[in-house]
Amino acid sequence: SAVISQKPSRDICQRGTSLTIQCQVDSQVTMMFWYRQQPGQSLTLIATANQGSEATYESGFVIDKFPISRPNLTFSTLTVSNMSPEDSSIYLCSVFDSTGNTIYFGEGSWLTVV
Amino acid sequence: RKEVEQDPGPFNVPEGATVAFNCTYSNSASQSFFWYRQDCRKEPKLLMSVYSSGNEDGRFTAQLNRASQYISLLIRDSKLSDSATYLCVVNRLDSNYQLIWGAGTKLIIKP
Repeated sequence: SAVISQKPSRDICQRGTSLTIQCQVDSQVTMMFWYRQQPGQSLTLIATANQGSEATYESGFVIDKFPISRPNLTFSTLTVSNMSPEDSSIYLCSVFDSTGNTIYFGEGSWLTVV
Repeated sequence: RKEVEQDPGPFNVPEGATVAFNCTYSNSASQSFFWYRQDCRKEPKLLMSVYSSGNEDGRFTAQLNRASQYISLLIRDSKLSDSATYLCVVNRLDSNYQLIWGAGTKLIIKP
């Protein structure tokens, strides 16, 4: 299994500001995934972060709003830019295990925008 | 139609009872299926993968019905600690590593 650390675990932010979420994995992984889970909703994939290349964004998500960094094989950041109350959500970092069959999540970053 | 659909519940079930959830998926060519469990204000955690032949892990049984395009989860002798939201997950056709998540079924076990 993979151990994933995310921070901050929660934050309350003012609208119009930006917040960067960090994700650290205890092993080297090729792909890291960033998800959002809005209250009462299912998980939605924001983007796939690959080391050494630009992140791949899903429909409805753009780099200007959610810039992602992937400086090495164990670390990634997601920034939520120019936040609005609609961005209030849980943001989850995840990776697959070495078999590629199981996905593991960080504990999530609970973001409230006021 | 959503790609993965679940009854949101909540299912209110007395302790010791058997409860079953279904999840339907829209793409007949999907290959990988999972059940995840999510406790309140926690991240999802893998409960079971779902295999074509069906599989069992203790009190939990998962089954796949390809003809009708649904997967099921059966929980026997339910415990208070089974209270959680159960998420159905199916892989995207164009990518084995990208998953489609159901919105989850909430289960509440009552003493």
